[in-house]
Amino acid sequence: EPEVTQTPSHQVTQMGQEVILRCVPISNHLYFYWYRQILGQKVEFLVSFYNNEISEKSEIFDDQFSVERPDGSNFTLKIRSTKLEDSAMYFCASSERADYGYTFGSGTRLTVV
Amino acid sequence: AQSVAQPEDQVNVAEGNPLTVKCTYSVSGNPYLFWYVQYPNRGLQFLLKYITGDNLVKGSYGFEAEFNKSQTSFHLKKPSALVSDSALYFCARSSGGYQKVTFGTGTKLQVIP
Repeated sequence: EPEVTQTPSHQVTQMGQEVILRCVPISNHLYFYWYRQILGQKVEFLVSFYNNEISEKSEIFDDQFSVERPDGSNFTLKIRSTKLEDSAMYFCASSERADYGYTFGSGTRLTVV
Repeated sequence: AQSVAQPEDQVNVAEGNPLTVKCTYSVSGNPYLFWYVQYPNRGLQFLLKYITGDNLVKGSYGFEAEFNKSQTSFHLKKPSALVSDSALYFCARSSGGYQKVTFGTGTKLQVIP
């Protein structure tokens, strides 16, 4: 079964450093998303991406965040200057159609120290 | 604002008994409703969705959910629980199209052998 692949599985970074989280969505999917989950509980929407542009973003997704689909397969989330409160599991998801369920990756655990 | 509520943080059920995980949604347009499951240290897996049509929708692993418009509910059910069903369950909704999916706070299901 096709999978969404995320790398790395765990990233530790110092506060103020830049991190890039990588995702390879399912090849025929057109809609891409980033979510984050803090403490294994609340799942928060960050951003959605379609047709090479952001279609919606949340209040969390401020100027320190950016997304990119640099080569038609990867979908990246960049955090420019990490803060302690950015520590969370970050999930990438993709879907073939907007009203289909998402396929989520296994996540990247980001720890900011 | 669109939202879903999961009133129970945890549900305990004996193996072999029927299980119900509750979800209610805010009345805002015609909601697209979803259930996802998360096993420990894993991403979220899509179980089922309701867009339109039959109020009873069937999903993966023997789960089903009933859309009840008058009670604004979308409870997840299974006739006979398995120990392997123990996981975190998330109800979610969107307003359709490529609108973001908003997740509930999650319900931990514990199936007791």
